Amino acid sequence: GQSLEQPSEVTAVEGAIVQINCTYQTSGFYGLSWYQQHDGGAPTFLSYNALDGLEETGRFSSFLSRSDSYGYLLLQELQMKDSASYFCAVRLYNQGGKLIFGQGTELSVKP
Amino acid sequence: DAGVIQSPRHEVTEMGQEVTLRCKPISGHDYLFWYRQTMMRGLELLIYFNNNVPIDDSGMPEDRFSAKMPNASFSTLKIQPSEPRDSAVYFCASSLAGRGTEAFFGQGTRLTVV
Repeated sequence: GQSLEQPSEVTAVEGAIVQINCTYQTSGFYGLSWYQQHDGGAPTFLSYNALDGLEETGRFSSFLSRSDSYGYLLLQELQMKDSASYFCAVRLYNQGGKLIFGQGTELSVKP
Repeated sequence: DAGVIQSPRHEVTEMGQEVTLRCKPISGHDYLFWYRQTMMRGLELLIYFNNNVPIDDSGMPEDRFSAKMPNASFSTLKIQPSEPRDSAVYFCASSLAGRGTEAFFGQGTRLTVV
């Protein structure tokens, strides 16, 4: 089956850099996506990696290595508002566009 | 567009009752997904549709759960009869077809079965 593994929680201080890893056991996917979910809210899209390498969007960057079955989300200059859950996700092209998520990583940013 | 609209936002019901959750996807989107979120199991994919046709319902927990998409602008998820273990937040999401297209989520329905 397909699975995506993430750490359950990460803690960091304001202004720091944090990396959230995602390892997966799946094949036949278009790319790796990341979503953010604040407590009580809906998941919202952050980034997408179709190819291996680093994608940068402001303070957030995302990385994918298909050969290592691994990706990560990098958050720089952490702010209190970054406290949220972060999910990696893949879209399976050999299963009709099925979109599955990892278990999520709860990030706590401390002052 | 107003985004994905789900109703109701909150539902409290008694065990054994029928529950119907509703979703209006973003106009023009080809895919519609139903997820259930709990602390223990995270975001579980229950079922998804492509062009109103159910593609994969392998995530539906049991026969008590059913989903329909009678047209491109409306979908329902029904639980009959409901049980306390069905208590969760249920999300509907829609997206365009395509490799990396993002999914847009509704605000979810928080279901409590007592």
